Amino acid sequence: SAVISQKPSRDICQRGTSLTIQCQVDSQVTMMFWYRQQPGQSLTLIATANQGSEATYESGFVIDKFPISRPNLTFSTLTVSNMSPEDSSIYLCSALKRGGRNTEAFFGQGTRLTVV
Amino acid sequence: GQNIDQPTEMTATEGAIVQINCTYQTSGFNGLFWYQQHAGEAPTFLSYNVLDGLEEKGRFSSFLSRSKGYSYLLLKELQMKDSASYLCAVNAGNNRKLIWGLGTSLGVNP
Repeated sequence: SAVISQKPSRDICQRGTSLTIQCQVDSQVTMMFWYRQQPGQSLTLIATANQGSEATYESGFVIDKFPISRPNLTFSTLTVSNMSPEDSSIYLCSALKRGGRNTEAFFGQGTRLTVV
Repeated sequence: GQNIDQPTEMTATEGAIVQINCTYQTSGFNGLFWYQQHAGEAPTFLSYNVLDGLEEKGRFSSFLSRSKGYSYLLLKELQMKDSASYLCAVNAGNNRKLIWGLGTSLGVNP
C-alpha cells in the first residue's frame, strides 16, 4: 500500500490570492491526479499530473488557473490561482500504483479550501 | 461516450448483506475500482478488478463481468460504520484516468 500525505488539510484564503497544495507519496507511483469535490457530490478530475512535463487538464480547467507540478514520481503540487469564492471546495490528490491484479489507487486526506 | 451508472441510495439492516451494482460503458477498459467515502473524508480504496470473477477481501467482495460491463460490491455482516458513499470508477483509455460514478449512498439501520 502507498500512503499519501497532503497538506494543508484546510485553509481560509482571501479573494485574489493563491494557494499551493502539496502531495507526497511514500513510494513511487505510476500516475498522480488532482480532483475537486463539492460536499455531497462526486469527484471532478482537474488534471493528470505528468512527471517532468505539463499536466493534462480536463475540460473546464486551465493551466493558468490551476498550475500543477510533478518533479518526480512521488511528489506533486496544485496551485489554485487568483482565487474567488467559487473555488471553495475540497481538493484531493490521488495516486495510481499499477501492479496487474494488485493495482491500487489512493487518495490524500484532502484540502478543504474556503475563499472569502 | 463514457458512462458509469450506480444506484443513488440504498438502505440495509445491520448484520445483513447488501449488493451495490455498477454498470459502465467506456471506450476502453483497464480495470474497475471501488471506493468507500465517509462524509467529510477522502475516498478509501476498497478493491480493484481487472479480470472477470470475484475478488474477496474480508467482509467486502467485488465482482466483474467485462462482457456485460457490470460490477458489484458485496458487503457482508453489515456494520453501522459501513454507512457511507460507495464509488465505482473505471480505468478507461490510454491515458489511464478514472471515469467516476456518482456514488451510492448506503445507510445501515440498527
